[in-house]
Amino acid sequence: DADVTQTPRNRITKTGKRIMLECSQTKGHDRMYWYRQDPGLGLRLIYYSFDVKDINKGEISDGYSVSRQAQAKFSLSLESAIPNQTALYFCATSEGQGAWSNQPQHFGDGTRLSIL
Amino acid sequence: ILNVEQSPQSLHVQEGDSTNFTCSFPSSNFYALHWYRWETAKSPEALFVMTLNGDEKKKGRISATLNTKEGYSYLYIKGSQPEDSATYLCASSISGSARQLTFGSGTQLTVLP
Repeated sequence: DADVTQTPRNRITKTGKRIMLECSQTKGHDRMYWYRQDPGLGLRLIYYSFDVKDINKGEISDGYSVSRQAQAKFSLSLESAIPNQTALYFCATSEGQGAWSNQPQHFGDGTRLSIL
Repeated sequence: ILNVEQSPQSLHVQEGDSTNFTCSFPSSNFYALHWYRWETAKSPEALFVMTLNGDEKKKGRISATLNTKEGYSYLYIKGSQPEDSATYLCASSISGSARQLTFGSGTQLTVLP
C-alpha cells in the first residue's frame, strides 16, 4: 500500500463546482504539503501544514483552501473551480524534525484535475 | 520565490552512455538542494538532499555534486539504463525563512535501448 494516498486519482468537473482533494498518509509525518504541477513549470506550493493546528499559505494559495483533519489527513478544496486550476496536484509529507527543507519530501501519486 | 533552473529541458541518450544535467539556483543565503526522480504516472521519489558546499552523494549509478558558492548542482548517471528514463527534478531553499522549496521544471531523460 502507498504511504501517501491521494483521492481521487482523476477528476473532471465543471467551472463553478466545489471540489475536494484528499490526502492521507501512514508515514507518521507531522508535515504535509499540497503542490500543483503545470506543464513546463516546476511544482508550486499551494499550502503546507507543520501539525494539526498549523496551516500556512504557499506561493499560489488564492482560490484554494485546506483542512488538516488529523495528523494523517490533509485536504485541499477548490471552492469554485475555474479552468486555469486544471493541473496535476500532489500531496507530500516530510518528517517533523530539523529544519524544514533539510528533510526529503514523500509524494503521493497525484490527482489529475480537469475543469471544463 | 527563487529562480531554480534546470538544463537541458530534455535529453535522449543510448543505453550504456553516461550523462549529466544541471540545476542552477541563487547562491545567496543557500540552505538546501533536493533531487527527485519522477517516473511517468508515478510519484516523485527523493534521491538526495544536500546542504554543504562540496557535498557529493551517491545512490547506485546516480550521483550528485553541490557548489553553493556558484549556485549549481550536477546530477550524474553512469551507464544509463532504460529504467532510468524519468524526469529529474531539483529544488532549492534559502535560509532565513527556509520554509519553502522552489522546484525547477525538470530534465526529462529518455534512455534508448
